[in-house]
Amino acid sequence: EIVLTQSPGTLSLSPGERATLSCRASQGVNPSYLAWYQQKPGQPPRLLIYSASSRAAGVPDRFSGRGSGTDFTLTISRLEPEDFAVYYCQQFSNSLHTFGQGTKLEIK
Amino acid sequence: QLQLQESGPGLVKPSETLSLTCTVSGDSISSSSYSWGWIRQPPGQGLEWIGNSSYSGSTYYNPSLRSRATLSLDTSKNHFSLKLTSVTAADTAVYYCARSGSYAFLDYWGQGSLVTVSS
Repeated sequence: EIVLTQSPGTLSLSPGERATLSCRASQGVNPSYLAWYQQKPGQPPRLLIYSASSRAAGVPDRFSGRGSGTDFTLTISRLEPEDFAVYYCQQFSNSLHTFGQGTKLEIK
Repeated sequence: QLQLQESGPGLVKPSETLSLTCTVSGDSISSSSYSWGWIRQPPGQGLEWIGNSSYSGSTYYNPSLRSRATLSLDTSKNHFSLKLTSVTAADTAVYYCARSGSYAFLDYWGQGSLVTVSS
């Protein structure tokens, strides 16, 4: 089973700043099967990025994803107030889905 | 617009069986392009995948829950279900149903159903 480790656990930034979130896998992941989600309190997760770098419908272009092998990154180029939330990466391989433990992006 | 809605008891006694249903509108669960899954989130914690099932008959489970979880699809009602046996307090969580696309990303989610395991 592939384990995803996200860092940092908490990221404190101000609106307008750039956020870089990391997701590291315990073994290589096919980028086609790597996704990122945003979750706000009391809401279900929302798909942001799929196949490592493709934005889901309606997702602003300030969100971008990249990576390959074991290292993947979600970048928010310029933080808006509504971007402060918890972010999860997720992968699928060998018929199993796994999630990272999440990064909380909080207002500084 | 695709919508998923979980339903089921909010309180289950320890050692009993948790049963949830996800009703889908705006798409058919018999579509060969997708699978349908369950994810849970204990209070204040992260996401845990439970399992996925497709109309083709493929069903996959989280190894840690495989012995207790059963997923099924009912195409006549366009809904799918989760049964989790022998529950304990550790199974207390918000349970989400979701659609999984061709690259296994989860693109549509239900609003979630809180299930508490307590006597």
